[in-house]
Amino acid sequence: DTAVSQTPKYLVTQMGNDKSIKCEQNLGHDTMYWYKQDSKKFLKIMFSYNNKELIINETVPNRFSPKSPDKAHLNLHINSLELGDSAVYFCASSRLPPGGYNEQFFGPGTRLTVL
Amino acid sequence: EDKVVQSPLSLVVHEGDTVTLNCSYEVTNFRSLLWYKQEKKAPTFLFMLTSSGIEKKSGRLSSILDKKELFSILNITATQTGDSAVYLCAVENTDKLIFGTGTRLQVFP
Repeated sequence: DTAVSQTPKYLVTQMGNDKSIKCEQNLGHDTMYWYKQDSKKFLKIMFSYNNKELIINETVPNRFSPKSPDKAHLNLHINSLELGDSAVYFCASSRLPPGGYNEQFFGPGTRLTVL
Repeated sequence: EDKVVQSPLSLVVHEGDTVTLNCSYEVTNFRSLLWYKQEKKAPTFLFMLTSSGIEKKSGRLSSILDKKELFSILNITATQTGDSAVYLCAVENTDKLIFGTGTRLQVFP
């Protein structure tokens, strides 16, 4: 009965590799997000999708490419990984887009370590 | 630039103490202010505040918003070791949720 799930939980990889993180929500929400949390615990929005359409891209390098095959899924693909990409990546969802007075529900996070 | 600032950054207390966590913001097109608790994994939702002066309460936790002075406080009374976590304040505007850096609370027996 997990609401927002992510796989994998941990990802360790070498610089230059390409990797993907998957996210699924079973809450019936229309909007999904990717956040990056750095070592100082600062959570920053990367992307927002509403009904499979991109609504926010927070000046994220184009090595990061989100894909939403349907409303319940938002995957994140990262090309040519760099050391600075090491962080915890959280997926989240909400019933309405931002500005709709609604809370976001977060997945358990994926800890990415780039060596 | 939109920003959300939390204080203190870190707090160490003993069980039974009362703590107050602060959140101030400068955000365009304000919609709501939210508090989350983050233990080891996902942030979990605590409160959403949209109106000034109306206290939201859940057990030992309570929160209030002042939209004129642009801040919110989160109070925890009779703290327990299970309250140890990072408490995140976030402001929702028309585009996104903007998070503060969090307050790390440690409660010792």
